[in-house]
Amino acid sequence: DQQVKQNSPSLSVQEGRISILNCDYTNSMFDYFLWYKKYPAEGPTFLISISSIKDKNEDGRFTVFLNKSAKHLSLHIVPSQPGDSAVYFCAASANGGFKTIFGAGTRLFVKA
Amino acid sequence: NAGVMQNPRHLVRRRGQEARLRCSPMKGHSHVYWYRQLPEEGLKFMVYLQKENIIDESGMPKERFSAEFPKEGPSILRIQQVVRGDSAAYFCASSPPLTTLAKNIQYFGAGTRLSVL
Repeated sequence: DQQVKQNSPSLSVQEGRISILNCDYTNSMFDYFLWYKKYPAEGPTFLISISSIKDKNEDGRFTVFLNKSAKHLSLHIVPSQPGDSAVYFCAASANGGFKTIFGAGTRLFVKA
Repeated sequence: NAGVMQNPRHLVRRRGQEARLRCSPMKGHSHVYWYRQLPEEGLKFMVYLQKENIIDESGMPKERFSAEFPKEGPSILRIQQVVRGDSAAYFCASSPPLTTLAKNIQYFGAGTRLSVL
């Protein structure tokens, strides 16, 4: 039962353009959402998060949007840079708890 | 300021042997999580522990897998009688005590890649 879904296994974007990574969830109890970035042979690193009481959170080039009615969130990276090439995981937790459910990831390629 | 340390980075076992994966959390972190990543898949939650306590093991296979986080020393994920299907990358993460400011952001180690021959 995939509670967090990232339907695009990969995405290719030109340097300088916007990257949009999407994530859908099914559990309406999720109240906190996170994005992690992972390079090969390394562990995931936290990128940005959003609480369910907000619909947008911005940190530099990274913005996360949350649409609760659609159970959908997206990560926008602008402008995209070659160093952003990595796998991006969407994750969610419920009721302020510690258990975090991860999506399958989207591999982003940023072409120079 | 050391991050989450996992060892070994690579572990090769023959079918039927035992695998022990170690994880030292970041300093000051009292919560440890274990995840498994199969090839081309995402991270699957296995278990969440605090010192000397298993809080949530809903993602652990019912047999052969166990985890501990003793009062002293690293957290250990133990897989007995390994089978080829156990081959995967195992990631450990840690987090500080839950606060409203840093809500469950987890810090990951580099992982242990287990290969079962």
